[in-house]
Amino acid sequence: DIQLTQSPSTLPASLGKRVTISCRASQSISNSLNWYQQKPDGTVKRLIYSTSTLESGVPSRFSGSGSGTDYSLSISSLESEDFAMYYCLQYATYPWTFGGGTKLELK
Amino acid sequence: EVKLVESGGGLVQPGRSLKLSCAASGFSFNDYWMGWVRQAPGKGLEWIGEINQDSSAINYTPSLKDKFTISRDNAQNTLYLQMSKLGSEDTAIYYCARVSWPPFDYWGQGVMVTVSS
Repeated sequence: DIQLTQSPSTLPASLGKRVTISCRASQSISNSLNWYQQKPDGTVKRLIYSTSTLESGVPSRFSGSGSGTDYSLSISSLESEDFAMYYCLQYATYPWTFGGGTKLELK
Repeated sequence: EVKLVESGGGLVQPGRSLKLSCAASGFSFNDYWMGWVRQAPGKGLEWIGEINQDSSAINYTPSLKDKFTISRDNAQNTLYLQMSKLGSEDTAIYYCARVSWPPFDYWGQGVMVTVSS
């Protein structure tokens, strides 16, 4: 199975700050990576698919990049509604696997 | 509006079975693969599996293949997850999600399953 390692596991940050979350795969996943946001009430939303394509309706402060085994999600200027859990998902190879998650919390 | 609503969760004793349902609306259900994901308390997301439009192809994560069965009823716009031989490790929130390529563009709100005596 392909392992996805997200870092950091917890990210304290302030409003307006730029942050980056990393997702490293145990082998190349050829840009087959999505990013999801999970709110405290359990609601899950896809933010980015295929590494860098922004989901319709998602604010442009979110962006994704990467290639091969290394991928990242960036938020350019944090707003209050961005504090949540974030997960990456690889769908290059079955079984699909998620990263362990990053909790973005208010500093 | 795409809507996915899971149901059928609750408290179940170890070793028993449980069947979850996911009612879909707002899109043409029989045009999409559908899947299940779960999340144990305080843990991350785990992909369970997926089923294609006419149920001719079903993929599972290997560790759950012998315990869980995914099915669907296109006439009822409903996805199912049959779970057997449940153990405490199966206590989790179970989500259904649409597999629009790339996968999992829409998710349900999740349903809680607690396995305990």
